[in-house]
Amino acid sequence: NAGVTQTPKFQVLKTGQSMTLQCAQDMNHEYMSWYRQDPGMGLRLIHYSVGAGITDQGEVPNGYNVSRSTTEDFPLRLLSAAPSQTSVYFCASSSPRLAGDYNEQFFGPGTRLTVL
Amino acid sequence: DQQVKQNSPSLSVQEGRISILNCDYTNSMFDYFLWYKKYPAEGPTFLISISSIKDKNEDGRFTVFLNKSAKHLSLHIVPSQPGDSAVYFCAASDNTDKLIFGTGTRLQVFP
Repeated sequence: NAGVTQTPKFQVLKTGQSMTLQCAQDMNHEYMSWYRQDPGMGLRLIHYSVGAGITDQGEVPNGYNVSRSTTEDFPLRLLSAAPSQTSVYFCASSSPRLAGDYNEQFFGPGTRLTVL
Repeated sequence: DQQVKQNSPSLSVQEGRISILNCDYTNSMFDYFLWYKKYPAEGPTFLISISSIKDKNEDGRFTVFLNKSAKHLSLHIVPSQPGDSAVYFCAASDNTDKLIFGTGTRLQVFP
């Protein structure tokens, strides 16, 4: 059971380039999400998905696209990279909440992205 | 506007003593609170949670206290160990699957 995997671990881009950060989970979780972590800002939600074919925006969605064609995969696309997107990106997954309870989110190891 | 706030960016505690990490929130609709621990170059890992209908939850050395009237929660670690040195994030959920995170507190436990 690999849990949540992310590739690549590190990436350097030039301004204007595009790329896709990969995220996969093998726990059959319906909920998946992308966060970015910046110094002094904590973890901020970029996009999330409650199931295959369903995605929605989080707190900081501008400049990012997502899709969810399968339960396992949730790629994050940077359409035209900007220096402000330099950050560490984390993908997470969980089972959906049940009434009166909360299921923990499992995080991947992160992708450190630098945009020059 | 930050809905979940951790006002102490760092905390230094001697091994064996108690560590107290604080978190404040503004949204009265939050119904579940969680603490995550993060080591460098790793993803956050779940530590402990508490429902808004409770005021305390304990798991080994870790206890979370919730004061709903003050919109405040705290994480107590007793006794603190060097392996507890990490960044701790407070997070809250508003009856959805989404989590809102605080900015984190870096805990250093020294011998």
